[in-house]
Amino acid sequence: EVQLVESGGVLVQPGGSLRLSCAVSGFTFSSYAMTWVRQAPGKGLEWVSVISGGGGSAYYADSVKGRFTISRDNSKNTLFLQMNSLRAEDTAVYYCAKSPGRAVAGTGWLDYWGQGTLVTVSS
Amino acid sequence: QSALTQPRSVSGSPGQSVTISCTGTSSDVGGYNYVSWYQQHPGKAPKLIIYDVSKRPSGVPDRFSGSKSGNTASLTISGLQAEDEADYYCCSYAGSYTWVFGGGTKLTVL
Repeated sequence: EVQLVESGGVLVQPGGSLRLSCAVSGFTFSSYAMTWVRQAPGKGLEWVSVISGGGGSAYYADSVKGRFTISRDNSKNTLFLQMNSLRAEDTAVYYCAKSPGRAVAGTGWLDYWGQGTLVTVSS
Repeated sequence: QSALTQPRSVSGSPGQSVTISCTGTSSDVGGYNYVSWYQQHPGKAPKLIIYDVSKRPSGVPDRFSGSKSGNTASLTISGLQAEDEADYYCCSYAGSYTWVFGGGTKLTVL
């Protein structure tokens, strides 16, 4: 059974940093690109970042570029999102999701999702 | 990276059909056949229901279908059931290895 479990979401002050984790099981982690998607309270989904299966390619939404870094540890089946210079508008539930192939490709549909972890940025 | 445009809400009675539109530009929806749709029930994670414009993942009922014309993609749900009441989001590849979601549509089954 495929499982994705996010963790690390907490209340953090503006300007602070946070690292989210996504522990994966049920599939060969290194064979698939992985994505982070966020959802502000009561709002829609927003694509955040994607990383290839080997970790060599990573891409970001303009809204987080330069502040967030996606990474993965294939030996531990874990995906990460390092979030720096946090702003109030980064407040959201952050989901990790599995992409259909190892490479980052246009057909980047997301077939499995975690339950999300809430990040609140407030003073 | 502007969000794709979806109607805020749609509704239909059990057994009827509804269609949800998703309008973008030639840089996203119109430029690629890489539109996906997700269903999200309150408090739950999104679920993939359509990918590559019109393909259905295993286990998704054939009541769900997708299509695209120009810069607008559409999700049609036929034979509406009570459990279809949820939020629906479209997503499109936007080039340069980025993706954009729609604002979401709340489906109410009357």
